[in-house]
Amino acid sequence: GQQLNQSPQSMFIQEGEDVSMNCTSSSIFNTWLWYKQDPGEGPVLLIALYKAGELTSNGRLTAQFGITRKDSFLNISASIPSDVGIYFCAGLWSGNTGKLIFGQGTTLQVKP
Amino acid sequence: NAGVTQTPKFQVLKTGQSMTLQCAQDMNHEYMSWYRQDPGMGLRLIHYSVGAGITDQGEVPNGYNVSRSTTEDFPLRLLSAAPSQTSVYFCASRPDRGRGYTFGSGTRLTVV
Repeated sequence: GQQLNQSPQSMFIQEGEDVSMNCTSSSIFNTWLWYKQDPGEGPVLLIALYKAGELTSNGRLTAQFGITRKDSFLNISASIPSDVGIYFCAGLWSGNTGKLIFGQGTTLQVKP
Repeated sequence: NAGVTQTPKFQVLKTGQSMTLQCAQDMNHEYMSWYRQDPGMGLRLIHYSVGAGITDQGEVPNGYNVSRSTTEDFPLRLLSAAPSQTSVYFCASRPDRGRGYTFGSGTRLTVV
């Protein structure tokens, strides 16, 4: 079954607002990744986190690797309409670097 | 450099039919994976491979077979299709020490 719990499931916000979403797990991961998926496309990597406590930015996006290695969050500042899509967290298993597990996703809608 | 190429893009099968979903990458990536995506479920790992000749099961392997005879190709076989296998299937690859998986654009499969 699903081992990553991602929240919230969906968000409907006004353009210009900040957004925060998070992911928790009962398992420890070596790497946390955040992806975005546009309709009809495959997920695209936004940010990769490799160390506990690491804070990384990519433009208006900021993500952190939790100290316990069991959680991560993603913030989007000053949202714009093109931020619309589904955001996924994903964890790379600590004991096997090939196995990447995904959260259920957060659907973001932005009202202009 | 085409990235990860999946064929076909769309497929309709009758219950009990078999078929192979093709996946090829031209980036010389060691790791490859197959996921299925269903509404509200995120992406669930079916099978993955850490190199030619090596495959392993993911979260939902039942009803699917894989093989990895070359680095480039990682086909997914449905031996006897069932309506529960109606889904969007994504193939992904990453290098040995890469940042994350690169995804194909998906195959939308309907089993009637």
